Amino acid sequence: DAGVIQSPRHEVTEMGQEVTLRCKPISGHNSLFWYRQTMMRGLELLIYFNNNVPIDDSGMPEDRFSAKMPNASFSTLKIQPSEPRDSAVYFCASSGAGERGTLITDTQYFGPGTRLTVL
Amino acid sequence: GDSVTQMEGPVTLSEEAFLTINCTYTATGYPSLFWYVQYPGEGLQLLLKATKADDKGSNKGFEATYRKETTSFHLEKGSVQVSDSAVYFCALSAYTGKLIFGQGTTLQVKP
Repeated sequence: DAGVIQSPRHEVTEMGQEVTLRCKPISGHNSLFWYRQTMMRGLELLIYFNNNVPIDDSGMPEDRFSAKMPNASFSTLKIQPSEPRDSAVYFCASSGAGERGTLITDTQYFGPGTRLTVL
Repeated sequence: GDSVTQMEGPVTLSEEAFLTINCTYTATGYPSLFWYVQYPGEGLQLLLKATKADDKGSNKGFEATYRKETTSFHLEKGSVQVSDSAVYFCALSAYTGKLIFGQGTTLQVKP
């Protein structure tokens, strides 16, 4: 399996521009997670989906951030307009079917991340 | 709410030294527990996991035992190598499926 695929790997943009990050989860996985990692705040969960439906978006920092999952094999995280404080590494992770009767299983597999720099 | 606390780093060891990274948790119910590792410039990789009390997770010489009585999941390795230098994250997952991460512990192993 190719694992979780993210694109682009690096993105440099100017303040005010729209940024779109992409993720392809592992085939057969039904849950997808977006994280942000910075030195100051560590690893933060932004949003997660189960069966393409957003379950919890309480970690999305503000209205400038939006995420979609139009089908089981693709998700986007969009920032519009971008700001310098959005500079971070953004990770996508996926996991498979639920265990023990839970909605979402527990083992998550991470992509390589997108390093975003907003000037 | 659920939380994970890891020992602060960085941890600096000489090659072949014994490693312990402490992790304690607070959770309702019976969470699964994980250790993830992040090498420079890469995403997080699952290192090991344990799903119930007294389970021992192990991988690549690393071990951790799920201790319900002390709410701990300490990571150990008998002899570290330079290639083990990375950031290690302890995490728990409750029934919602969300992973709650600790703040990460940087390990640096010197030759």
